[in-house]
Amino acid sequence: DAGVIQSPRHEVTEMGQEVTLRCKLISGHNSLFWYRQTMMRGLELLIYFNNNVPIDDSGMPEDRFSAKMPNASFSTLKIQPSEPRDSAVYFCASSFAGTNTGELFFGEGSRLTVL
Amino acid sequence: GENVEQHPSTLSVQEGDSAVIKCTYSDSASNYFPWYKQELGKRPQLIIDIRSNVGEKKDQRIAVTLNKTAKHFSLHITETQPEDSAVYFCAAGDSGGGADGLTFGKGTHLIIQP
Repeated sequence: DAGVIQSPRHEVTEMGQEVTLRCKLISGHNSLFWYRQTMMRGLELLIYFNNNVPIDDSGMPEDRFSAKMPNASFSTLKIQPSEPRDSAVYFCASSFAGTNTGELFFGEGSRLTVL
Repeated sequence: GENVEQHPSTLSVQEGDSAVIKCTYSDSASNYFPWYKQELGKRPQLIIDIRSNVGEKKDQRIAVTLNKTAKHFSLHITETQPEDSAVYFCAAGDSGGGADGLTFGKGTHLIIQP
């Protein structure tokens, strides 16, 4: 398996534009997590899904952020409209909520810069 | 919710010496404590984890200890090498057989001096 795949790896956009980040889970995994990483705040959990169902979205900063999981292997994180303070590295991670390991497998991240 | 504090934020040690990173957590329901290593520009990767029914776990040069009463856990790296230079994150969560939302510490930048 190629692991968790994220796209785009880098995105530079202007304030007010819509941004869509994409994530493909590891085959067989059924939990999906979106994290945001900044120097100031570290790794913050934004939202996570189990079996395509959003379980906890309390980390989503505000209504400008939304996440979907249209099928068992794919998720999107959308920011509309984007703001400069959204600049960060966004990581998607997956796991299999049926073992006793709890290991998160992270993608390479999407580095977002909002000008 | 869970709150994880991690110290120090930066740690510089001589190659061959030991490094210790400490974390505290707030939620007594947390029972799963992993450590992730993130090299510059790369993704975080699990290096070791411990569950609340175990007090210590070791894997070659790395070890983790857990004190549930005091709600703190630590990562120990012995005989440090240049490739140990990275940012290390501790995390805590209630892992009911899976990876429910983990709360991460803010990370420790470990620098190994030659």
